[in-house]
Amino acid sequence: NAGVTQTPKFQVLKTGQSMTLQCAQDMNHNSMYWYRQDPGMGLRLIYYSASEGTTDKGEVPNGYNVSRLNKREFSLRLESAAPSQTSVYFCASDSDNSPYEQYFGPGTRLTVT
Amino acid sequence: KQEVTQIPAALSVPEGENLVLNCSFTDSAIYNLQWFRQDPGKGLTSLLLIQSSQREQTSGRLNASLDKSSGRSTLYIAASQPGDSATYLCAVSPNYGQNFVFGPGTRLSVLP
Repeated sequence: NAGVTQTPKFQVLKTGQSMTLQCAQDMNHNSMYWYRQDPGMGLRLIYYSASEGTTDKGEVPNGYNVSRLNKREFSLRLESAAPSQTSVYFCASDSDNSPYEQYFGPGTRLTVT
Repeated sequence: KQEVTQIPAALSVPEGENLVLNCSFTDSAIYNLQWFRQDPGKGLTSLLLIQSSQREQTSGRLNASLDKSSGRSTLYIAASQPGDSATYLCAVSPNYGQNFVFGPGTRLSVLP
């Protein structure tokens, strides 16, 4: 099993450009998450999806959109990138039954200039 | 709103020492608490998960305890090794078992 995979690993954007971060899991999990990690601030939840076809906002959703394409894939889109979105982005999924252990992808390091 | 803090922010110890990392949370209504390890430039690796009904979990040289009523968890690392050098994060999930809230992490350096 590959677990949780993310593409790309690195990306540099200019302000105003758009891009989509891809995430896929092969553990047949229903729940998937997008976090961002910034120095000194820990991980913050951007959006999550409790099941295929549903998405909900997390703590910091502004400037982002998500799509739960199917059970395996959960993408994060930046429509008009801003320097404040420079961060490391992590995708995660968790088991559908107690104790809901979370599994993380390797991350995407995004720089917006 | 749940807030998670971790003390200390950074820790440097000589190889072989036993050490304790601390995690505190403001809302005791949690479903579970999970400890992660993060190596520089990498993703998070799950170390231990404690459900709210449990007091502790052990894996090898690691032992995590949970005191839900006081809003605290500790991660005990026995006989530390240079390979333990990493950032350790704790995260709690609310009663319905989703939407983890993370602490800022403790950066551990174990010196040979």
